[in-house]
Amino acid sequence: NAGVTQTPKFQVLKTGQSMTLQCAQDMNHNSMYWYRQDPGMGLRLIYYSASEGTTDKGEVPNGYNVSRLNKREFSLRLESAAPSQTSVYFCATSRGVETEAFFGQGTRLTVV
Amino acid sequence: GDSVTQMEGPVTLSEEAFLTINCTYTATGYPSLFWYVQYPGEGLQLLLKATKADDKGSNKGFEATYRKETTSFHLEKGSVQVSDSAVYFCARTPNQAGTALIFGKGTTLSVSS
Repeated sequence: NAGVTQTPKFQVLKTGQSMTLQCAQDMNHNSMYWYRQDPGMGLRLIYYSASEGTTDKGEVPNGYNVSRLNKREFSLRLESAAPSQTSVYFCATSRGVETEAFFGQGTRLTVV
Repeated sequence: GDSVTQMEGPVTLSEEAFLTINCTYTATGYPSLFWYVQYPGEGLQLLLKATKADDKGSNKGFEATYRKETTSFHLEKGSVQVSDSAVYFCARTPNQAGTALIFGKGTTLSVSS
């Protein structure tokens, strides 16, 4: 039982490159989230998907897109990476927005 | 809007000291409250939770009581260990349906032997 799996764990990109961060859960949860974590800023919500088939912007969506591929998978895409997107990205899931969330191990992204 | 405010760190303690990390939340709706812990290089793990006023969440020697009258959910532990060194996040459920948990900015705890 893996819980929430993120790939890759580490990535270095050059400015302007694109990439997709993958997230998969085997918890049969309805809701999925992408956060970024930066020093002194805590966790900031990028996008979320309250249920399969829906996605919504969070606090800091600019420069990102998401796809809720199915109930299990929620991907985050950077179309043209910028140094300001250097961060640790976390995927999380929950049964619903009124319940606790479960987090993946994170993707450490550096944009040079 | 909804928010969670935590005491700023870092908090530095000696082993076996008493720990308190303060957390207050905006008094909108009837949120559930959570404490998460993040060890170095890892994701966040749920430490404890409380779903209604006067509930006490507890786990691994940590406790927090949901205080509606003071809109607080302070984290306490009677005797910390070096292995408790981590970042602690307070969180609440959103008042608006269909959004996401709201987190405080985190408090770094460093325990020395």
